[in-house]
Amino acid sequence: QVQLVQSGAEVKKPGASVKVSCKASGYTFTGFHIHWVRQAPGQGLEWMGWIHSNSGDTRYAQKFQGRVTLTRDTSVTTAYMELSSLTSDDTAAYYCARDDSYAPGTYFDYWGQGTLVTVSS
Amino acid sequence: DIVMTQSPLSLPVIPGEPASISCRSSQSLLHSNGYTYLDWYLQKPGQAPQLLIYLASNRASGVPDRFSGSGSGTDFTLKISRVEAEDVGVYYCVQVLQTPYTFGPGTKVDIK
Repeated sequence: QVQLVQSGAEVKKPGASVKVSCKASGYTFTGFHIHWVRQAPGQGLEWMGWIHSNSGDTRYAQKFQGRVTLTRDTSVTTAYMELSSLTSDDTAAYYCARDDSYAPGTYFDYWGQGTLVTVSS
Repeated sequence: DIVMTQSPLSLPVIPGEPASISCRSSQSLLHSNGYTYLDWYLQKPGQAPQLLIYLASNRASGVPDRFSGSGSGTDFTLKISRVEAEDVGVYYCVQVLQTPYTFGPGTKVDIK
């Protein structure tokens, strides 16, 4: 069955970086985009960007441009999200989600369980 | 950026009764390919969001047929024909026409 399993919770100091992984299984990894969406405590959902798992092409929300890097390793069917220069505003649950690269539209049919990143001094 | 709004933001429901959530976008979500790029998600307490509706009116695999999506252009509606207790949570619409994809603020549905 399709699964996206994310790495565990992280606690970081302001100014540091965090790298979250998203291990995919149960489907052809290279046929899907991986998107990253975050959710601050008690808040709504915010799209950060996507990576094409085959080509490695990326698209980032302008808000995160220069601070976020999406990568993937097809040999281990894993996508990564690295966010740098962390501030307390980056405290959030970070989700990965897949989207069929070849279907019309964009929709996230499977999600990871979320990774809580806490930024605190 | 495309701005998404939802109403109401809070919706107390009675099991067995219908419910409806409205979503509006600041510009048309009609793609040149004829599809409308609007999706709906439900986030149950303590869980990741789950896909309900894609391309405005297509029910995702495994989603009960009491859920339906409609609308076009800038105005969309999610309807639940008969609410069940398991339907509580926060419902989000999201536009996926252009990046950055933007979500509505969410509608919290709970049992009255």
